[in-house]
Amino acid sequence: GNSVTQMEGPVTLSEEAFLTINCTYTATGYPSLFWYVQYPGEGLQLLLKATKADDKGSNKGFEATYRKETTSFHLEKGSVQVSDSAVYFCALSANTGRRALTFGSGTRLQVQP
Amino acid sequence: GAVVSQHPSRVICKSGTSVKIECRSLDFQATTMFWYRQFPKQSLMLMATSNEGSKATYEQGVEKDKFLINHASLTLSTLTVTSAHPEDSSFYICSASARDRSTDTQYFGPGTRLTVL
Repeated sequence: GNSVTQMEGPVTLSEEAFLTINCTYTATGYPSLFWYVQYPGEGLQLLLKATKADDKGSNKGFEATYRKETTSFHLEKGSVQVSDSAVYFCALSANTGRRALTFGSGTRLQVQP
Repeated sequence: GAVVSQHPSRVICKSGTSVKIECRSLDFQATTMFWYRQFPKQSLMLMATSNEGSKATYEQGVEKDKFLINHASLTLSTLTVTSAHPEDSSFYICSASARDRSTDTQYFGPGTRLTVL
């Protein structure tokens, strides 16, 4: 079946540091890949997505590239802010059938001033 | 656009009672709605998938008689937790995929925190 593996948190960084959150996946076929963010006390929000190999999703300074050869979709940001503190979920959706999302375990990011 | 609401946001009930949670797509028609459950500091686990006008598809291990899902229209799905028990306490989240947009993107509601006493 499909699965998503994320690096465990929490990740604690100082403001303006570089962020990488690793995500690898196992899936049949060619899934779509997503990063969702959950701010404290709020629901999940789509951060970015990529639907085919070599696509790069980007939003709010975050980027992730769909790497089929390494089955990865690592999230990066060049300079984090305190407001980026949240839980980040990597997810995939099969491009056939029900298209339900399979989530990774989530990575909590804490950015300190 | 692509806003999904849930009601109520929080509910506390006594053991043995039933609780209904509504999920609405406010500005789009949802082809499919999904219900997830999230335990504290854990990821989301898919409970069921529902399409308008048809029976929901439940994930393995989810009791369909306990978690009743109704998808009456293209903008509304409901989850009813029947005869709730303390172990049903959790954060329930719905999502919807839009009929006229990329069907591989889901838009999430803010979640409903259920506490069963």
